[in-house]
Amino acid sequence: GAGVSQSPSNKVTEKGKDVELRCDPISGHTALYWYRQSLGQGLEFLIYFQGNSAPDKSGLPSDRFSAERTGGSVSTLTIQRTQQEDSAVYLCASSTTGTESNQPQHFGDGTRLSIL
Amino acid sequence: AQSVTQLDSQVPVFEEAPVELRCNYSSSVSVYLFWYVQYPNQGLQLLLKYLSGSTLVKGINGFEAEFNKSQTSFHLRKPSVHISDTAEYFCAVSEINSGSRLTFGEGTQLTVNP
Repeated sequence: GAGVSQSPSNKVTEKGKDVELRCDPISGHTALYWYRQSLGQGLEFLIYFQGNSAPDKSGLPSDRFSAERTGGSVSTLTIQRTQQEDSAVYLCASSTTGTESNQPQHFGDGTRLSIL
Repeated sequence: AQSVTQLDSQVPVFEEAPVELRCNYSSSVSVYLFWYVQYPNQGLQLLLKYLSGSTLVKGINGFEAEFNKSQTSFHLRKPSVHISDTAEYFCAVSEINSGSRLTFGEGTQLTVNP
């Protein structure tokens, strides 16, 4: 079956612009996660959605970052007024449920974001 | 809060040699443990996981890992590596009953040379 799909695969934008990154999880997966992978910082948790519950936003680095998940499926990560330190690969993952932390997360191929 | 330490950032080995990638974790509560592999320009793929039971866990591609609670370690091993195993490997933990966010180690780049 189809895996986690992320778009675009690459995004280059100028400092100060807003960007939107999209994630389409595996069908039927109720949990969705965003991570950031950057040099020097490794893989960092950003935000987690589980069903209709309020998202866990504890990993978002600043108020320029936000995310939403519409209809319990597709998610969009938005970065406003981008800075050069936002350059990274943004990975999305989904799992069958987030309430049981033993469920493996399935990752998309990521969006490589470059801020000029 | 939990943390994960991967002791080697780079591990070069020759083809058909055995390999061990080391992982230690720290947590005040019980955890689940995972190893993921990342090939260039791809996302992470689950290799194996330890949830409970037998401390020796077998995964895909001939990899296995052993959970050692007293040493808080979860080292990854393969008895004979192939060129195609060249990739970055990440150890990760999630705390039981504390949500599903993964905390990752810094990664180990495994390079298999002919």
